[in-house]
Amino acid sequence: KQEVTQIPAALSVPEGENLVLNCSFTDSAIYNLQWFRQDPGKGLTSLLLIQSSQREQTSGRLNASLDKSSGRSTLYIAASQPGDSATYLCAVRGTGGSYIPTFGRGTSLIVHP
Amino acid sequence: DTAVSQTPKYLVTQMGNDKSIKCEQNLGHDTMYWYKQDSKKFLKIMFSYNNKELIINETVPNRFSPKSPDKAHLNLHINSLELGDSAVYFCASSLSSGYTFGSGTRLTVV
Repeated sequence: KQEVTQIPAALSVPEGENLVLNCSFTDSAIYNLQWFRQDPGKGLTSLLLIQSSQREQTSGRLNASLDKSSGRSTLYIAASQPGDSATYLCAVRGTGGSYIPTFGRGTSLIVHP
Repeated sequence: DTAVSQTPKYLVTQMGNDKSIKCEQNLGHDTMYWYKQDSKKFLKIMFSYNNKELIINETVPNRFSPKSPDKAHLNLHINSLELGDSAVYFCASSLSSGYTFGSGTRLTVV
């Protein structure tokens, strides 16, 4: 059974710092990995989707990498801003059966001015 | 707008009542899901439908019954609501790749 772990669970940084959020998974047979952002009291917004054949994806100040062999993905946020404050969730979708993704518990990020 | 839309956004009800949450997507996706997010923010899959057929039914009490009248809709009906059912319920859809989530329904059972 796939298990997804996100470290750290919480992070508080001053504005302008470059950040790395980590996601690790136990079963490397994945279909894809998706990073989401969740603002308090809101739904999930997709940030980046990495297919199993890809190594990384970039969108603006965000870069996500994938290393299937080591069971890891990192989300890199450059020049963090207060508006980046949210919970970041990693979801790993397996290759077998139902393709239902497994979510990590998230990293709660606060960027203070 | 193309989206996954859920109604209602908030639902407060008494124990023992029966309630429904509706979900619609106009993205042309063939698979729809219901997730429950508990107070600790953990997202847990409840049901998944592919082309109106149930493909996943996790260990959810049978008081919860999903209904998919067509590929674009997946509604969730809950009978005999209990205090422990209080949570945020998310609908999502997908085609072959990533997920799109609705904005959630916050259910409070009093």
